[in-house]
Amino acid sequence: DVKVTQSSRYLVKRTGEKVFLECVQDMDHENMFWYRQDPGLGLRLIYFSYDVKMKEKGDIPEGYSVSREKKERFSLILESASTNQTSMYLCASSSQVSPYQETQYFGPGTRLLVL
Amino acid sequence: DQQVKQNSPSLSVQEGRISILNCDYTNSMFDYFLWYKKYPAEGPTFLISISSIKDKNEDGRFTVFLNKSAKHLSLHIVPSQPGDSAVYFCAASAGGITGGGNKLTFGTGTQLKVEL
Repeated sequence: DVKVTQSSRYLVKRTGEKVFLECVQDMDHENMFWYRQDPGLGLRLIYFSYDVKMKEKGDIPEGYSVSREKKERFSLILESASTNQTSMYLCASSSQVSPYQETQYFGPGTRLLVL
Repeated sequence: DQQVKQNSPSLSVQEGRISILNCDYTNSMFDYFLWYKKYPAEGPTFLISISSIKDKNEDGRFTVFLNKSAKHLSLHIVPSQPGDSAVYFCAASAGGITGGGNKLTFGTGTQLKVEL
């Protein structure tokens, strides 16, 4: 079974703090993704990575950065947290092996509250 | 611009009846479609998928239908069970990109409630 874990289920931070969200997958997947989920907006892609030390912007990268130093780990960084970054953050991974590339496996999510 | 749309935010169905969840898309480059189910406080889990070369895919109680000319897909759940109550997201992919991994574009979700 694919397992994607996220370092925290709930986080409360203050405006202006630097926030790190960690994600680890154990299936040797090449691809990793960070989304945020907000009511009425579905899942929106923030950043993704197809390889170690490689990153690509998603649809809403502003205010975020990422780090992928090891294949199994993908970190999302909020450089200076703001209240509009209060959300549910979801990490996902997928294989590059055809025909499975499209199926992404998700972690349990981190609910972040920025005060 | 919402490229994948789920116009019904919620759906209520009686246990044992059919649930039909709908999804429309605008990008004609999408060639692979997926449905995910999400319970509260959990991440989405993959349910079923379909390639654009097919018009139907079935897996147990779940069937996905694709109408390419209408840019429409639907998920049928028969018979519906209380444990099916969840948010359902449809997602679409436009094929291989850099590195072979595919980005997914998600809809806004439909909350399904299956009542006893």
